[in-house]
Amino acid sequence: AQSVTQLGSHVSVSEGALVLLRCNYSSSVPPYLFWYVQYPNQGLQLLLKYTTGATLVKGINGFEAEFKKSETSFHLTKPSAHMSDAAEYFCAVTAFNAGGTSYGKLTFGQGTILTVHP
Amino acid sequence: DAGVIQSPRHEVTEMGQEVTLRCKPISGHNSLFWYRQTMMRGLELLIYFNNNVPIDDSGMPEDRFSAKMPNASFSTLKIQPSEPRDSAVYFCASRPGYNEQFFGPGTRLTVL
Repeated sequence: AQSVTQLGSHVSVSEGALVLLRCNYSSSVPPYLFWYVQYPNQGLQLLLKYTTGATLVKGINGFEAEFKKSETSFHLTKPSAHMSDAAEYFCAVTAFNAGGTSYGKLTFGQGTILTVHP
Repeated sequence: DAGVIQSPRHEVTEMGQEVTLRCKPISGHNSLFWYRQTMMRGLELLIYFNNNVPIDDSGMPEDRFSAKMPNASFSTLKIQPSEPRDSAVYFCASRPGYNEQFFGPGTRLTVL
């Protein structure tokens, strides 16, 4: 079984400030982790993903996230916020295993709405 | 590639009517997912197809909901009869192998 907890349903930052969106997960098998972004009235767009290998992953629009197994975290950061970053962000976890009991079903967090002030 | 295509983008109907939502996945993707998004429940997986075969429909709310995938390039989600509590945004997503899912723009359903 997998679950995702996003800490903070709303985060507000000033333009140019650091963006930090928190995500903790639980998974009984090695996880694949994703961050998706959703702009108003649009579908979800992949920002970045962790599958295996390097634990610091870089995505689009200057975002990056670090997989920390010991902390079961996958927090999303961006050094300097832009007005265009205002959107809702979803963390998601999935897993695949050889037994076929996990087909890669995505489990989403509840989402964090990011507001960027001028 | 045009991405995942969903139609209609908006649907307004009256309680008791049949609603059919359509999805065309990205060519070559062998997995297809239907999700529902509401303020109260967030994103919920309704059903998952692999190679056109339904693998997991445990998220389908009740017998009023049904989904089909007659071929690799088309899937439908049907609600019959529809109820006001079915109002939500319905997303279709497709995936190539063991990789990330690609989402369509969604269908906003309003049941009056």
